[in-house]
Amino acid sequence: DQQVKQNSPSLSVQEGRISILNCDYTNSMFDYFLWYKKYPAEGPTFLISISSIKDKNEDGRFTVFLNKSAKHLSLHIVPSQPGDSAVYFCAASDGGSNYKLTFGKGTLLTVNP
Amino acid sequence: NAGVTQTPKFQVLKTGQSMTLQCAQDMNHEYMSWYRQDPGMGLRLIHYSVGAGITDQGEVPNGYNVSRSTTEDFPLRLLSAAPSQTSVYFCASSGQGNSPLHFGNGTRLTVT
Repeated sequence: DQQVKQNSPSLSVQEGRISILNCDYTNSMFDYFLWYKKYPAEGPTFLISISSIKDKNEDGRFTVFLNKSAKHLSLHIVPSQPGDSAVYFCAASDGGSNYKLTFGKGTLLTVNP
Repeated sequence: NAGVTQTPKFQVLKTGQSMTLQCAQDMNHEYMSWYRQDPGMGLRLIHYSVGAGITDQGEVPNGYNVSRSTTEDFPLRLLSAAPSQTSVYFCASSGQGNSPLHFGNGTRLTVT
């Protein structure tokens, strides 16, 4: 049973426009959520996170929104740049155990010049 | 500043062979984890460690052993390789609290 779901395997956007990546979760015990970005032949790199006590966290061009009642989070990238083209993973943890993350399957974002 | 270092980058094994994937971190992180990534499957937790001498199983531990004799090193052992263990393996480490996981660049393993 997949506890973290990224239902869009891929997303294509134009440079300068907004990219919205979505993630749903089923485990009510999850209280911390993270987004990772992965380029080919590299390890995932941390992008942004949000605690369940917040509904929004912003870091430069990246904003994560959390809707606990819907068990849904989204990552907004504004404006999108070609260098943002990568696979984006949503991940979740419970009880502060970020060493035991549960990952979604990832969404491949392509930003076209 | 090396971060998390994994060796080797690539490895080909025959079924039944054993090998150890090495992982070292230089950030004095308490927590370390091993994940595998398969096509269309995301990353799945194999084993993790909350400190030297302490390890535990993750979601997919069968066929793998780990040990943590030092804070820096967390090797992953394949006892008898099987084709189902063909995957990309990532080691990661993190510090206290909500510190995010830092990943190495992975080991691509093929078992024939």
